[in-house]
Amino acid sequence: GAVVSQHPSRVICKSGTSVKIECRSLDFQATTMFWYRQFPKQSLMLMATSNEGSKATYEQGVEKDKFLINHASLTLSTLTVTSAHPEDSSFYICSAVTTTTGELFFGEGSRLTVL
Amino acid sequence: EDQVTQSPEALRLQEGESSSLNCSYTVSGLRGLFWYRQDPGKGPEFLFTLYSAGEEKEKERLKATLTKKESFLHITAPKPEDSATYLCAVQANDYKLSFGAGTTVTVRA
Repeated sequence: GAVVSQHPSRVICKSGTSVKIECRSLDFQATTMFWYRQFPKQSLMLMATSNEGSKATYEQGVEKDKFLINHASLTLSTLTVTSAHPEDSSFYICSAVTTTTGELFFGEGSRLTVL
Repeated sequence: EDQVTQSPEALRLQEGESSSLNCSYTVSGLRGLFWYRQDPGKGPEFLFTLYSAGEEKEKERLKATLTKKESFLHITAPKPEDSATYLCAVQANDYKLSFGAGTTVTVRA
């Protein structure tokens, strides 16, 4: 099946620094990728929709200047958490939609801990 | 606004004790209903997609069904390795997924 890779899987950073998380579709092209956030024992909350070659669309309440999303190619989207604070600590998950079948596949997630 | 409600929140089963998980939904323009399995600290793992009422899909001990208002995930004779959180999500025509809160299933040997 289609594979979506996220990197890094775990990251610890100091408050005030920025962290970049990559989401790659390994064996298919994805014009659309989604970024989700998941707090412990809660479901996935959609943060933004990333479209290749255009600006991301953010969900209500998500700060676009804090969570920078770039979708530079059909296989890569990045999420940069800028000036991270402890409340940004969470599990971030990306998903990618195949251009051919419209199926959606998830990455393994990236756990961010901000000290 | 799309809404997905899963019940129960948690389910504790004895090995071999079959049960069902419920996912009720409201969505404008349903493109598909997805079931995922999520293990702690990992991303969701795809199980099924259902597209129209009356559709059923099976995979090993799992069977998913769909009506116009809800979906069921039946677990037949579960084993401890079926312990996980099962997530239901509806996909609208813009491909966005709206997730339910999940049902955490624990199967005791």
